[in-house]
Amino acid sequence: RKEVEQDPGPFNVPEGATVAFNCTYSNSASQSFFWYRQDCRKEPKLLMSVYSSGNEDGRFTAQLNRASQYISLLIRDSKLSDSATYLCVVNVPRDNYGQNFVFGPGTRLSVLP
Amino acid sequence: DAGVIQSPRHEVTEMGQEVTLRCKPISGHDYLFWYRQTMMRGLELLIYFNNNVPIDDSGMPEDRFSAKMPNASFSTLKIQPSEPRDSAVYFCASRKHQGSNQPQHFGDGTRLSIL
Repeated sequence: RKEVEQDPGPFNVPEGATVAFNCTYSNSASQSFFWYRQDCRKEPKLLMSVYSSGNEDGRFTAQLNRASQYISLLIRDSKLSDSATYLCVVNVPRDNYGQNFVFGPGTRLSVLP
Repeated sequence: DAGVIQSPRHEVTEMGQEVTLRCKPISGHDYLFWYRQTMMRGLELLIYFNNNVPIDDSGMPEDRFSAKMPNASFSTLKIQPSEPRDSAVYFCASRKHQGSNQPQHFGDGTRLSIL
């Protein structure tokens, strides 16, 4: 099983729709979680951190479910500019090296006019 | 504030040549990461440094790859000799305080093509 898994998509949704992505992780000792977005031919950029109690930033809501070992990202009222690949990032403890931040393969979102 | 700065932005070279990628992390960041991204394999961690010391290089594909961080504001990733399968986008990222909930910040990347 991969350390961090995501549905690659693509998710094709109309403008204004609500869309949600999940990301599962295998190491129950993981403590830090993030969502990044990556536009075509650009670098990944931090979208938001994911806190234990869940957190919201405008149209974006992130949730953590430790029992089932997944995080989610909800986008409400999607815009054309939300079209991108969304990367889930999980810190994975390493025996000798502390921890590593492992990126998921990404979920591609296309918001259609 | 300046972000992570990488150079060159693009590199096209023939196989067998030495390639050197450069990175300047954000000032004050303790950790520096080198990643490689391809369509097939996604974003892969190659190596990371803490306070200029390499901590985990288990992601470096083979001996042709080497990385150095001579000081807190500069790192290089070198491929010698280069091969066509090394063609990818190479990202450098930096962050503060690995133990805390701090995210990584990425440079614009170097698009490397080995012919």
